[in-house]
Amino acid sequence: DQQVKQNSPSLSVQEGRISILNCDYTNSMFDYFLWYKKYPAEGPTFLISISSIKDKNEDGRFTVFLNKSAKHLSLHIVPSQPGDSAVYFCAASARSMYSGGGADGLTFGKGTHLIIQP
Amino acid sequence: NAGVTQTPKFQVLKTGQSMTLQCAQDMNHEYMSWYRQDPGMGLRLIHYSVGAGITDQGEVPNGYNVSRSTTEDFPLRLLSAAPSQTSVYFCASSYSISPGNEQFFGPGTRLTVL
Repeated sequence: DQQVKQNSPSLSVQEGRISILNCDYTNSMFDYFLWYKKYPAEGPTFLISISSIKDKNEDGRFTVFLNKSAKHLSLHIVPSQPGDSAVYFCAASARSMYSGGGADGLTFGKGTHLIIQP
Repeated sequence: NAGVTQTPKFQVLKTGQSMTLQCAQDMNHEYMSWYRQDPGMGLRLIHYSVGAGITDQGEVPNGYNVSRSTTEDFPLRLLSAAPSQTSVYFCASSYSISPGNEQFFGPGTRLTVL
């Protein structure tokens, strides 16, 4: 069963407007959430993260919002630029009793392909 | 800094062959991991290591072996390749195992098993 879900395989947004990418999760043990961006034929690159003790984290044009009660997070990109066209992955991590309280890896959603239209 | 490097970039194998995917990082990171990405899927964790000499299984470890003899290198071995292992493989590293720590990914190895 998927623990991290990105229900929109693709999203098309006009340049200059706001892009909102959504992510839902089912595992209550997740305590960190991260967004990665991926261009074709490249590895994912880290964008922004948020701890479960916060409800918002902002970095330039990127803001992530976390709603713990709804087990939902979203990434806002304002304003959207052509270079933002990529696949965006939502990922989550949890403290593991097997690695001394550290994380034992990331659980990824399937990704959302964001297309910025000129 | 080269970051995380992976070799080869592309590989075609026949069913039953074995091979090693190489991964190296020059950032002195303790934590390294291997993921695979299949079409329409997110990345899935194969194996990870929290330091030299320490490895553990992730979500999809069957058919793969790893070892971590140095901090820099984390090779992934396919013992007897199967068509189900056709995928893109990404190696990643991070400074520590703390949850939320940014992971740096390599460019990937695209593997086809015939």
